[in-house]
Amino acid sequence: EIVLTQSPGTLSLSPGERATLSCRASQSVTGSYLAWYQQKPGQAPRLLIYDASIRATGIPDRFSGSGSGTDFTLTINRLEPEDFAVYYCQPYGSSRTFGQGTKVEIK
Amino acid sequence: EVQLLESGGDLVQPGGSLRLSCAASGFTFSNYAMGWVRQAPGMGLEWFSGITDSGGDTYYAESVKGRFTISRDNSKDTLYLQMNSLRAEDTAVYYCTKGNEAARPYYFDYWGQGTLVTVSS
Repeated sequence: EIVLTQSPGTLSLSPGERATLSCRASQSVTGSYLAWYQQKPGQAPRLLIYDASIRATGIPDRFSGSGSGTDFTLTINRLEPEDFAVYYCQPYGSSRTFGQGTKVEIK
Repeated sequence: EVQLLESGGDLVQPGGSLRLSCAASGFTFSNYAMGWVRQAPGMGLEWFSGITDSGGDTYYAESVKGRFTISRDNSKDTLYLQMNSLRAEDTAVYYCTKGNEAARPYYFDYWGQGTLVTVSS
């Protein structure tokens, strides 16, 4: 079972700044089968990124994913007010356990 | 437009049973894997069950194995979750999820709005 550790737990930033979120796996993620999801309060999660770096349909290009093996990153350039939310990473090969999440809050 | 509509959430006593349903529309249900993800109050996401397009293969997290059963009726475009021997720690919002493929590996490209299950005496 792959364990994902997301850091930091909370990121306090201002609109317009860049957010860099880390997702580290306890063992290599096969085929870069890693997704990122965004969840706003009271809402269901939404798919942002799959295959570690491919944006889902309708996701703005300020969101980008990178990484392979055990280290993955979600970058949000020029934070918009609607981007303040919790972000989860999840592998989807043989293991499906979510990371614990990173909250991006307004500073 | 893809829609996933969960139902069946309720207040149930410890040791009790409940069946959740997820009515799907806007896509060819029988072509895609489906799953359930839950979220306890104030906590993160927990994947705990999945099923392939035909229903031939099912998957469970250790936390629910032997107590929960996932199934689907492709003639009714509906996903089910039978939950038995419920515990307080099963209290959560339960999300129905659609896979992007028929079988592994697949990510969740659509989510329902969730249904609340509360296990309490």
